[in-house]
Amino acid sequence: GDSVTQMEGPVTLSEEAFLTINCTYTATGYPSLFWYVQYPGEGLQLLLKATKADDKGSNKGFEATYRKETTSFHLEKGSVQVSDSAVYFCALSSGNTPLVFGKGTRLSVIA
Amino acid sequence: GAVVSQHPSRVICKSGTSVKIECRSLDFQATTMFWYRQFPKQSLMLMATSNEGSKATYEQGVEKDKFLINHASLTLSTLTVTSAHPEDSSFYICSARVLAGAYNEQFFGPGTRLTVL
Repeated sequence: GDSVTQMEGPVTLSEEAFLTINCTYTATGYPSLFWYVQYPGEGLQLLLKATKADDKGSNKGFEATYRKETTSFHLEKGSVQVSDSAVYFCALSSGNTPLVFGKGTRLSVIA
Repeated sequence: GAVVSQHPSRVICKSGTSVKIECRSLDFQATTMFWYRQFPKQSLMLMATSNEGSKATYEQGVEKDKFLINHASLTLSTLTVTSAHPEDSSFYICSARVLAGAYNEQFFGPGTRLTVL
């Protein structure tokens, strides 16, 4: 079945550092890919998405490019802030199937 | 974006009691809603898929008699944890899906933290 693998955390960075969280997927067909963010004690918020190969999703300084050849959707941000501290989930959906999530990566940004 | 609400946000109950969690899509109609469970520092595990007017489809290993799901309208789904026990303590998150042609997106509620004493 479909699956998502993302780098294990926790990831600890200093403010203004560069962030990369790796995500690779296995799916039949051509899934849509997503990054969700979960702040402490809250539900999930959609951060960005891409629906086809070579699409780049972006939001709040975060970016991820749908790479079909490497089945990847790595999340990047050029300069993280303390307020970016959260858990980040990579996810996919094929057709009408519900979202399949990776295990999540906890990011802590220190001032 | 579309808004999904959950009520209550937190609930503490005694072992053996039943707890009902409501999930509402506030500004759109959702033919399908999903219920997820999240253990501390872990990912979301899909429990069941709920379609309006029909029986929910449960994932393998999820007891349907334990976790009763009702999806009576296009804007409301409920999850009832029956005879709750401490091992049912968890963070329950619902999600409502908008599916229109090629557009397919799930919107998430803020979650309900259940603590069973």
